[in-house]
Amino acid sequence: GAGVSQSPSNKVTEKGKDVELRCDPISGHTALYWYRQSLGQGLEFLIYFQGNSAPDKSGLPSDRFSAERTGGSVSTLTIQRTQQEDSAVYLCASSSDGYNEQFFGPGTRLTVL
Amino acid sequence: QKEVEQNSGPLSVPEGAIASLNCTYSDRGSQSFFWYRQYSGKSPELIMSIYSNGDKEDGRFTAQLNKASQYVSLLIRDSQPSDSATYLCAVVYSSASKIIFGSGTRLSIRP
Repeated sequence: GAGVSQSPSNKVTEKGKDVELRCDPISGHTALYWYRQSLGQGLEFLIYFQGNSAPDKSGLPSDRFSAERTGGSVSTLTIQRTQQEDSAVYLCASSSDGYNEQFFGPGTRLTVL
Repeated sequence: QKEVEQNSGPLSVPEGAIASLNCTYSDRGSQSFFWYRQYSGKSPELIMSIYSNGDKEDGRFTAQLNKASQYVSLLIRDSQPSDSATYLCAVVYSSASKIIFGSGTRLSIRP
């Protein structure tokens, strides 16, 4: 079956522009996570959606970052007024619930010039 | 104390030897534990999951869990150069009902 998909795979933008990153989780998975990974670094948790519960936004680094999940499926991560330090790979993962293993998408590599 | 702690490495192991990767966690109520492998430039992929105390074997991989000591490990037997990667330990925190990742251990298998 289909795994987690993300789009675009690569995004180059200019400083100050807004970007939207998309994640399609595995069908039926209720839990969805967004992470950021800078070169040579570990996973940085950003936000977690679980079913109809309020999202855990505790990892969002600033108010320029936001995410939504429509209809319990597709999620969009939005970064407003991008900065060079936002350059990283953004990974999405889904899980059947909050207690089981996650499956990762291929990531979106964001480059802010 | 970090929620999930791993030695960042690099851990260098000769080909054919056993590689031992360790992870400690702080939530005593945690019930689910995972090991992921991440090759450079790729996404993490699940290689082992363990839920009960003791050992779980899958091919060349063995996961070991000791809840009393809050310790989980991964053993890789007959290490191959293709095992060179970063290994991430992940724990489901019951207190937060979400998965927490360690920062990973970089493993290098030398021929």
